[in-house]
Amino acid sequence: AQSVTQLGSHVSVSEGALVLLRCNYSSSVPPYLFWYVQYPNQGLQLLLKYTSAATLVKGINGFEAEFKKSETSFHLTKPSAHMSDAAEYFCAVTGGYNQGGKLIFGQGTELSVKP
Amino acid sequence: DAGVTQSPTHLIKTRGQQVTLRCSPKSGHDTVSWYQQALGQGPQFIFQYYEEEERQRGNFPDRFSGHQFPNYSSELNVNALLLGDSALYLCASSLVTSGRIDTQYFGPGTRLTVL
Repeated sequence: AQSVTQLGSHVSVSEGALVLLRCNYSSSVPPYLFWYVQYPNQGLQLLLKYTSAATLVKGINGFEAEFKKSETSFHLTKPSAHMSDAAEYFCAVTGGYNQGGKLIFGQGTELSVKP
Repeated sequence: DAGVTQSPTHLIKTRGQQVTLRCSPKSGHDTVSWYQQALGQGPQFIFQYYEEEERQRGNFPDRFSGHQFPNYSSELNVNALLLGDSALYLCASSLVTSGRIDTQYFGPGTRLTVL
């Protein structure tokens, strides 16, 4: 069975500050991990993904995430927050094709950016 | 390059009615997955279609059914609507490559309100 836990349902940072959104996963098979972003009244946009290649993954809009197997974590970071980063962020896991490719999502973290 | 499209964008129904939601996958994709996102929650996997067959199903009752057409587009049908079916319904498309389902890309969603 697979699961995802996102620590903190709401994170608030100042513009220009470091963004850190936490994600821990549980998986009985080597995981594929994803971060998606959702702006109000929109669908999900892929930020980045880990698929067993490099453990440090770079995504769009300056975001990156590091896969740490020993900590079962896949935290999302951005060095300097921008007002346009305010949105809901979802971490997701899948076990690949053998698992049917279904994504298991966390509850989400709402990021607020203060001017 | 057209992304995933869904119709309609919004829908209002009453309890007991039936509804059909539609999804066209991203160009070149052959797999469609459906997710339900209740307010304030992460998306929950409903089912996935590949080669016009349901390949995997989440924990949803038989009131939820689907179909995939030869052109890879898909429909989600919900019968005997309940108030709890009110949610954003997301469609995601992907491509099977070498037996592995690749990254899922999401559409903008259909907002269903059941009164």
